[in-house]
Amino acid sequence: AQSVTQLGSHVSVSEGALVLLRCNYSSSVPPYLFWYVQYPNQGLQLLLKYTSAATLVKGINGFEAEFKKSETSFHLTKPSAHMSDAAEYFCATNAGGTSYGKLTFGQGTILTVHP
Amino acid sequence: DAGVIQSPRHEVTEMGQEVTLRCKPISGHNSLFWYRQTMMRGLELLIYFNNNVPIDDSGMPEDRFSAKMPNASFSTLKIQPSEPRDSAVYFCAAQENSNQPQHFGDGTRLSIL
Repeated sequence: AQSVTQLGSHVSVSEGALVLLRCNYSSSVPPYLFWYVQYPNQGLQLLLKYTSAATLVKGINGFEAEFKKSETSFHLTKPSAHMSDAAEYFCATNAGGTSYGKLTFGQGTILTVHP
Repeated sequence: DAGVIQSPRHEVTEMGQEVTLRCKPISGHNSLFWYRQTMMRGLELLIYFNNNVPIDDSGMPEDRFSAKMPNASFSTLKIQPSEPRDSAVYFCAAQENSNQPQHFGDGTRLSIL
């Protein structure tokens, strides 16, 4: 069975600091992995996706994530946080594009950015 | 493309009433997903369709919940009768194929008094 675990339900950083949001996956087949962002009163918006091409994936708003099979991780990073990055972030997996695209989501990480 | 459109954006009603949530997916996206989001349980998949056919409704909490997709451009999620514990944000998402990401609507915030 596929699953993702997000370590840390809340992460707080200062503006300009590195953002690191952690996600570990478990899957019996090569996974497809996604990071979504949710701003208040909005739906989830895709940040980036990994589909077994390049292991370092660049997304929107300066975010990127690296797929590390040895660590079963897909952590999300951004070199310099901006106030507008404050939101909730979800890691999700769809095991190898099967199951009609059904996604399994992590519990979410709320990112707070301090001035 | 307008994206996934959900209506209404907000609904407040009294318990016992019937509630119907609507979703217009992205044209050409063959899969449609209904989710519920609450503080306590996070994001839960309720049901999903592929080519208008329900594939998995195991996430539907009770028989009070039902969903239909009469055609490729419209889906409804109905709660009858509604209860206060159904209060949540309900999202609809569309997907072009199983290898692509899901695209979410802005949700319906439902409050049952």
